[in-house]
Amino acid sequence: GENVEQHPSTLSVQEGDSAVIKCTYSDSASNYFPWYKQELGKGPQLIIDIRSNVGEKKDQRIAVTLNKTAKHFSLHITETQPEDSAVYFCAAWTLSGSARQLTFGSGTQLTVLP
Amino acid sequence: DAGVIQSPRHEVTEMGQEVTLRCKPISGHNSLFWYRQTMMRGLELLIYFNNNVPIDDSGMPEDRFSAKMPNASFSTLKIQPSEPRDSAVYFCASRLGATQETQYFGPGTRLLVL
Repeated sequence: GENVEQHPSTLSVQEGDSAVIKCTYSDSASNYFPWYKQELGKGPQLIIDIRSNVGEKKDQRIAVTLNKTAKHFSLHITETQPEDSAVYFCAAWTLSGSARQLTFGSGTQLTVLP
Repeated sequence: DAGVIQSPRHEVTEMGQEVTLRCKPISGHNSLFWYRQTMMRGLELLIYFNNNVPIDDSGMPEDRFSAKMPNASFSTLKIQPSEPRDSAVYFCASRLGATQETQYFGPGTRLLVL
């Protein structure tokens, strides 16, 4: 089955700096990669996603890049703000048995220091 | 749109008691997922349904766990009997259909089994 590894597990940056979180996946058939942000006491919220026919996608301060050959994808947050502090999860959507499902990374606790 | 609704938000019970968690997916969504989140194991998929039919329950930890989806707007996850190691946050998520990748999470139920 699919294995998704996420690094780092914790990340602290100064406000205004950039943050990068990286994930690797094992199943070359994976074709959809969402990123979720989870704030304390809340459920994960989708913030950006990318499909395997695209190499990069950007939404304001957030961007995701995908390298299909190397089977890794990354989340980039620029001009970080304290409200970006949260746990971020990557995921890969792939075939599991006879159905498709999301496999999640282990999460990255991002802290933006004012 | 109200989003995915879960109840209760918090549950404290004693070991051996039955626990029932409830979920109302987003209206019109045909797939529903139950996840468990712990510090040690991260986000784990327990079971998911397409059109009210269970598709993959390989993540259900033991026979003490059961899930039902009697109609398109309601699902339950039951633990009987509950054990302290079941303490976790349980999330429900829904998506538009089997071929739509994006999942939307509810706020979660925080379960504590004493």
